[in-house]
Amino acid sequence: AQSVAQPEDQVNVAEGNPLTVKCTYSVSGNPYLFWYVQYPNRGLQFLLKYITGDNLVKGSYGFEAEFNKSQTSFHLKKPSALVSDSALYFCAVRDITFSGNTPLVFGKGTRLSVIA
Amino acid sequence: DVKVTQSSRYLVKRTGEKVFLECVQDMDHENMFWYRQDPGLGLRLIYFSYDVKMKEKGDIPEGYSVSREKKERFSLILESASTNQTSMYLCASSLTGGFGEAFFGQGTRLTVV
Repeated sequence: AQSVAQPEDQVNVAEGNPLTVKCTYSVSGNPYLFWYVQYPNRGLQFLLKYITGDNLVKGSYGFEAEFNKSQTSFHLKKPSALVSDSALYFCAVRDITFSGNTPLVFGKGTRLSVIA
Repeated sequence: DVKVTQSSRYLVKRTGEKVFLECVQDMDHENMFWYRQDPGLGLRLIYFSYDVKMKEKGDIPEGYSVSREKKERFSLILESASTNQTSMYLCASSLTGGFGEAFFGQGTRLTVV
């Protein structure tokens, strides 16, 4: 079975400082990994994904994430946080070993608060 | 611009009513999904469909059913709404093959009174 853990419910960071939102995953085969962001009363917006290749993935709005197979992690990072980055962030995984139609499994979300 | 559209942003229904949530995508995606979002629980999969007239149960299908008569439309049905079904409902679609990200609608916030 697939699962995702986001160990922090809330992350607070000062504007201009680097931010990290943590994610670890568990799959029986090969993972496809995704990050999404949700602003209040909105649906989820795609930020970036890891499928294969380079372990460092760059995405929208200056975000990046690093795939670490040995630690089964896919942490989201940004070098310099903005107040407008304040939102709810979700990590998701899909195990594509058996079927390309396997749905995404999501973590519980991490609320990021960037303080001016 | 790619789009997943949910028919309502906000709904208020009475206990026992039959409720229909509609979702339409314009990307010709094979896969469509219904998730439910609750604080502290993240997104939980209710049902998904990987083809017209096909459906698969997700993690929490009890009290729900779905319909997919056309490729672009995926409906979630609450057979007899209950207060514990008050939640945010999110529809999504994706290409088959696994590597594609899912695209989400704006969500329907359903309140059952």
